[in-house]
Amino acid sequence: QKEVEQDPGPLSVPEGAIVSLNCTYSNSAFQYFMWYRQYSRKGPELLMYTYSSGNKEDGRFTAQVDKSSKYISLFIRDSQPSDSATYLCAMSAAGTGKLIFGQGTTLQVKP
Amino acid sequence: NAGVTQTPKFQVLKTGQSMTLQCAQDMNHNSMYWYRQDPGMGLRLIYYSASEGTTDKGEVPNGYNVSRLNKREFSLRLESAAPSQTSVYFCASSEIGVGSNQPQHFGDGTRLSIL
Repeated sequence: QKEVEQDPGPLSVPEGAIVSLNCTYSNSAFQYFMWYRQYSRKGPELLMYTYSSGNKEDGRFTAQVDKSSKYISLFIRDSQPSDSATYLCAMSAAGTGKLIFGQGTTLQVKP
Repeated sequence: NAGVTQTPKFQVLKTGQSMTLQCAQDMNHNSMYWYRQDPGMGLRLIYYSASEGTTDKGEVPNGYNVSRLNKREFSLRLESAAPSQTSVYFCASSEIGVGSNQPQHFGDGTRLSIL
């Protein structure tokens, strides 16, 4: 069993929809949680970064962490065609610097 | 703002050939990383360097070597390329603060095909 599980999709939604992307994990030592967005033939770029449990909002994006359930989510409101990309969750334990990635979810937002 | 720069962007090799992938960052980060990305596998850590002068194995180090040349540069070498090493390779850098982890910043990758 992988330490981090992410539904690979693909996920296709109409423009304006609310998108929910999710990851589960097994290592209770993880404390830092990230979401990266990766466009085709580009490197991952940091979208959201949270520490421990709770919510964080940045514009149309909201990241949620539930450490008791070992579950993290990324919500995208009013999705746009420009949001079409692969979304990768990543997490690490304190002080290690080593990120463990999910497999990535490919999202397509149709105009 | 260059961030993390990787060279080359594309490369085709024959089985048994060697090559070095170059990575440089201009953010004055202490830590640098090499990943490979394969379909359905996400990113897997090959080697990392927590600080200048140190290197450690990641999840999939076999068949690779690394050199932390200075604070800015971290290279990945394939001594005898194999078809199983066909992949997209990403370099990343970050700071590790006391009691906190900083996110990693990635380059745009090297696409490597081994025939």
